[in-house]
Amino acid sequence: GQQLNQSPQSMFIQEGEDVSMNCTSSSIFNTWLWYKQDPGEGPVLLIALYKAGELTSNGRLTAQFGITRKDSFLNISASIPSDVGIYFCAGQNSNSGYALNFGKGTSLLVTP
Amino acid sequence: NAGVTQTPKFQVLKTGQSMTLQCAQDMNHNSMYWYRQDPGMGLRLIYYSASEGTTDKGEVPNGYNVSRLNKREFSLRLESAAPSQTSVYFCASLLTASYGYTFGSGTRLTVV
Repeated sequence: GQQLNQSPQSMFIQEGEDVSMNCTSSSIFNTWLWYKQDPGEGPVLLIALYKAGELTSNGRLTAQFGITRKDSFLNISASIPSDVGIYFCAGQNSNSGYALNFGKGTSLLVTP
Repeated sequence: NAGVTQTPKFQVLKTGQSMTLQCAQDMNHNSMYWYRQDPGMGLRLIYYSASEGTTDKGEVPNGYNVSRLNKREFSLRLESAAPSQTSVYFCASLLTASYGYTFGSGTRLTVV
């Protein structure tokens, strides 16, 4: 699979702070996605990005598809305790049956 | 609407034993996938089935086999379990790339 580099590996922040995480790849993707995983559960899709340069929001979450198609970032504004979890970026192309290539995840802890 | 259902949720095997992980989706999705998740490694693709009747290897297929029994079901078999196969296994399905994956809640497998 194609290697995705996700950073930071973990974040420990206070409630109300903004969070930013990013993902880079040596390969081009047609689609970038961001997932959140809660303990004991499968990943849940947060945002999907389909065009280079696209900026998309979902509530307090904002994500961008990099112009080079090799990177993406996710911002969370005004964090709350329920934002705790592991966030994964994933790149996708039409080959390999639309299989996802995942980053290693960013573990987010939010203190009240 | 159950989404993606995985059974069992937990399993302990002895080295050399065999078992089949079951996955079923009720969303009429075309493509199905098996991933494994290890600490600090993100999710890695084992096998996928782009459509009923087809299966293909992913990034880490060694030691596994799959069967796409029908459009709903996609099973993962470990013929001779090894401690290196201790992991959390996720099944996912996809209608089209525009809609993103739906993940099951995982099977936690320990091989001793």
